[in-house]
Amino acid sequence: DTGVSQDPRHKITKRGQNVTFRCDPISEHNRLYWYRQTLGQGPEFLTYFQNEAQLEKSRLLSDRFSAERPKGSFSTLEIQRTEQGDSAMYLCASTPGGYGYTFGSGTRLTVV
Amino acid sequence: QKEVEQNSGPLSVPEGAIASLNCTYSDRGSQSFFWYRQYSGKSPELIMFIYSNGDKEDGRFTAQLNKASQYVSLLIRDSQPSDSATYLCAVDSNYQLIWGAGTKLIIKP
Repeated sequence: DTGVSQDPRHKITKRGQNVTFRCDPISEHNRLYWYRQTLGQGPEFLTYFQNEAQLEKSRLLSDRFSAERPKGSFSTLEIQRTEQGDSAMYLCASTPGGYGYTFGSGTRLTVV
Repeated sequence: QKEVEQNSGPLSVPEGAIASLNCTYSDRGSQSFFWYRQYSGKSPELIMFIYSNGDKEDGRFTAQLNKASQYVSLLIRDSQPSDSATYLCAVDSNYQLIWGAGTKLIIKP
């Protein structure tokens, strides 16, 4: 499979718990993005990596969110002390740069 | 605040007709423009990108760009029920995409 892979597809968690999502990008793509999408809205930028370097992080993102991309390969997004407002689809996308992004299937997070 | 605006719809078009979707953007420095299709509960799927003023055709899809008017459009010819989805416009700005909220398109058989 040469597409972008995200795991898990669905996650239900209790408020206050920590969750971690994983994204495996297309191997030759050096840029990796994390987005969040809620119903009726376009994707909202969270952060992006060029290889292993995290180059930009949304100012709207609270300190409860952290992302890593060790060795410039897969990436993880962690949300600490989840809140109900964190319920959304979390999308990962990769690109070689400038030609549009390829998205994974997303991780749907529900905080109860 | 860089913005991308789309009419949320829904836009209802008879099967076989032309569907016209529109998008305006605020960042005059943007160079790359993308149209994505998103089915309910699924992730966005790239269908067209355009960099230069004018038209770009790919099968039943035509993207149109007018940088002076800061306007991008997507035409879908011979609309099919399977084209029913939300169409998202995205504009490249400083290494990230700025997204519109999408237009919901409904193709009526």
